[in-house]
Amino acid sequence: DAGITQSPRHKVTETGTPVTLRCHQTENHRYMYWYRQDPGHGLRLIHYSYGVKDTDKGEVSDGYSVSRSKTEDFLLTLESATSSQTSVYFCAISDRDSWDTQYFGPGTRLTVL
Amino acid sequence: DQQVKQNSPSLSVQEGRISILNCDYTNSMFDYFLWYKKYPAEGPTFLISISSIKDKNEDGRFTVFLNKSAKHLSLHIVPSQPGDSAVYFCAASAGAQKLVFGQGTRLTINP
Repeated sequence: DAGITQSPRHKVTETGTPVTLRCHQTENHRYMYWYRQDPGHGLRLIHYSYGVKDTDKGEVSDGYSVSRSKTEDFLLTLESATSSQTSVYFCAISDRDSWDTQYFGPGTRLTVL
Repeated sequence: DQQVKQNSPSLSVQEGRISILNCDYTNSMFDYFLWYKKYPAEGPTFLISISSIKDKNEDGRFTVFLNKSAKHLSLHIVPSQPGDSAVYFCAASAGAQKLVFGQGTRLTINP
């Protein structure tokens, strides 16, 4: 299994509060991704990174920001959480030579009350 | 607009029989396709993939078929085992370091 951890694994927060989710990898892979999983929608890409300080938007990026200051860490921030951001968040990584094949972390379940 | 669709939310199959999971796509620029398997409270795990230059790829009990003219791919699992009970996602890419996922199909293998 690829070395990917996510923290926290579970979080309950209130509307309007800032939230940061962390993804940490030990594989030295170039590409990192944040997805959310919701019933009926599968996995949807929020943001991704193709290198340190290089990030781009995905399909559902509104309300989210990301940062990648080191190869191993990719942070997802909800500046002001809303109930519509209640979801399960997955981080994924892939290597430059086979970027299509992504390996996923265990997920973070976020509940916004 | 859903570019990758899995029209069956669930599928139930008897142990030992064949499981066939289907996926349709609309974007003709997709050139690489993958299947992921997901157990509850875990992240998806990569299962098998296929390039658009092929129409079939096998890996043990798992075979993926691609029909480009119909924009359709399927995953065959033979024989089905209880441990195959999971949610299966198909995904597609058109380059640009992005995957587009279907909604998922929950497969249940009955003893």
